[in-house]
Amino acid sequence: GAVVSQHPSWVICKSGTSVKIECRSLDFQATTMFWYRQFPKQSLMLMATSNEGSKATYEQGVEKDKFLINHASLTLSTLTVTSAHPEDSSFYICSARDLWGGETGELFFGEGSRLTVL
Amino acid sequence: SQKIEQNSEALNIQEGKTATLTCNYTNYSPAYLQWYRQDPGRGPVFLLLIRENEKEKRKERLKVTFDTTLKQSLFHITASQPADSATYLCAWGPKYIFGTGTRLKVLA
Repeated sequence: GAVVSQHPSWVICKSGTSVKIECRSLDFQATTMFWYRQFPKQSLMLMATSNEGSKATYEQGVEKDKFLINHASLTLSTLTVTSAHPEDSSFYICSARDLWGGETGELFFGEGSRLTVL
Repeated sequence: SQKIEQNSEALNIQEGKTATLTCNYTNYSPAYLQWYRQDPGRGPVFLLLIRENEKEKRKERLKVTFDTTLKQSLFHITASQPADSATYLCAWGPKYIFGTGTRLKVLA
């Protein structure tokens, strides 16, 4: 099946620094990628929808200047957490939909990135 | 705003029994609903999709139903096995808004 690679899988940083997370579709093209945040034992919270070559669409309550999303190509989207603070510590997961995918429109998820801000 | 609710936070059942998980949505009917499985520390994996004009979909031991009147989808795992233990999520399409998830534990 299709593979989405997310990197890094975990990162620890100091408060005030910025962290970039990459999401790559390895064997398919994705015009749309989705970024989610997940707290322990909770469901996925959609942060933003990333469209190749255009600005991301952010969900209500998500600060676009804090969570910068760039979707520069059909296989790469990045999420940058700027000036990270301890409350930004979470599990971030990206997903992608195959441009030429079948009828299911299934999302292929990365393995997630666990961010810990000290 | 659209809400997707999965009634049971956790469900324990005995091996061999049928597990039934519920997904309810508010407001707008989705064009389709998807079900995913998520293991701890991993990203979700797609299982099944059911469209609004379909009443039932099956895949091996899995069955999904969709009732637009009740605004509800049911997800069944028949002949459950300990390996089926995971969190199951429903997603409202095409916006891909996920439900709260149900942690299923199948007891041997």
